[in-house]
Amino acid sequence: QVTLRESGPALVKPTQTLTLTCTFSGFSLSTSGMSVSWIRQPPGKALEWLARINWNYNKYYNTSLKARLTISEDTSENQVILTMTNMDPVDTATYFCARVRGSSYVFDSWGQGTLVTVSS
Amino acid sequence: NFMLTQPHSVSESPGKTVTISCTRSSGSIVSNYVQWHQQRPGSAPTTVIYEDNQRPSGVPDRFSGSIDTSSNSASLTISGLKTEDEADYYCQSYDSNNQIFGGGTKLTVL
Repeated sequence: QVTLRESGPALVKPTQTLTLTCTFSGFSLSTSGMSVSWIRQPPGKALEWLARINWNYNKYYNTSLKARLTISEDTSENQVILTMTNMDPVDTATYFCARVRGSSYVFDSWGQGTLVTVSS
Repeated sequence: NFMLTQPHSVSESPGKTVTISCTRSSGSIVSNYVQWHQQRPGSAPTTVIYEDNQRPSGVPDRFSGSIDTSSNSASLTISGLKTEDEADYYCQSYDSNNQIFGGGTKLTVL
């Protein structure tokens, strides 16, 4: 059974750096064709893709946020970490991680999400 | 990057059929597969259609996906509507290494 769970701070201050962890089970990120994506959703708004790390550890970012994002992995812990610098109140959102497989980027499992509020 | 445009909301009665469109702004809709994600209030999204018209296991065959090259759009059709289908629906595709989501459509089953 594939599961993903997001964790991180519920509240960050403006200008701070956010670090979120996606802990997964039921698959290996090293398996060919596997990847993990981060997606966010501001309250009442649409989903927005942020970043992806592939089975071969290539990394891809939303071009509009690329300067602020870093995605990495800890294979030994089955974790994918996302950092976002210079947080602003507009970054308040629920952050999801999802397993993505294959060359057609099928999102086949999602975490429950974690709400991050940016406020002083 | 292209954009995916969806109607803001649709509504239909239980037992009826509804279709939600997703129009690609540039490039051909058939260039990259389209997925559809359902998000019930307060819950995480789940995928109901992948690779244009494939249903994950567990998704009822009331859900179907299609592509229309003439309008450069994808569609999600839900037949035999149930109240449990009331949710937000997002189309999603990709371009090079970017994943792109539509703005979402709120389906009301009344």
